[in-house]
Amino acid sequence: GNSVTQMEGPVTLSEEAFLTINCTYTATGYPSLFWYVQYPGEGLQLLLKATKADDKGSNKGFEATYRKETTSFHLEKGSVQVSDSAVYFCALETSYDKVIFGPGTSLSVIP
Amino acid sequence: DAGVTQSPTHLIKTRGQHVTLRCSPISGHKSVSWYQQVLGQGPQFIFQYYEKEERGRGNFPDRFSARQFPNYSSELNVNALLLGDSALYLCASSDQRGLGELFFGEGSRLTVL
Repeated sequence: GNSVTQMEGPVTLSEEAFLTINCTYTATGYPSLFWYVQYPGEGLQLLLKATKADDKGSNKGFEATYRKETTSFHLEKGSVQVSDSAVYFCALETSYDKVIFGPGTSLSVIP
Repeated sequence: DAGVTQSPTHLIKTRGQHVTLRCSPISGHKSVSWYQQVLGQGPQFIFQYYEKEERGRGNFPDRFSARQFPNYSSELNVNALLLGDSALYLCASSDQRGLGELFFGEGSRLTVL
């Protein structure tokens, strides 16, 4: 079946550190891939997406590349800020609006 | 423009009771999806409705049901509540143009005692 696996947290980094959150997926066909973010006290929101192999999604300094050969979609940011503290969810879409989420990775950035 | 709105934001029920959760999508969005998020886990897909028809259903028992109204708002109903139904229930809407972006409400937090 379709599934998403992501690195377990919590992850704690100092401000300006480099961030990588690993994500791998299992899916039939060619799903679209997403990273959603849930800031404290806020609703889930889309951070970035990629719809086909080798696409790179980017937003707010975050990037992720759709790697079909390794079935991965790792999230990276070169220099994290305290305001990036949140829970990050890797996800894939198997059909319109049916999105399968990973378990989430909590990130805390300390000054 | 208003985002996705859900009500109630918090509620407490006892085992065996029934609950109805409500969702209003973003204006112009015809698709509504429901997700269950248990504390510490990712959201799990429950239902998707488009133009008042159910188009997808996740692995949830028949105690869970939903519907969509002509104005595209939606209700999620859960009967015979169990302790394990305690969770944050999220509603998401989209414009169904295949761009894959879901817009989520802040959720209804259900506690079953």
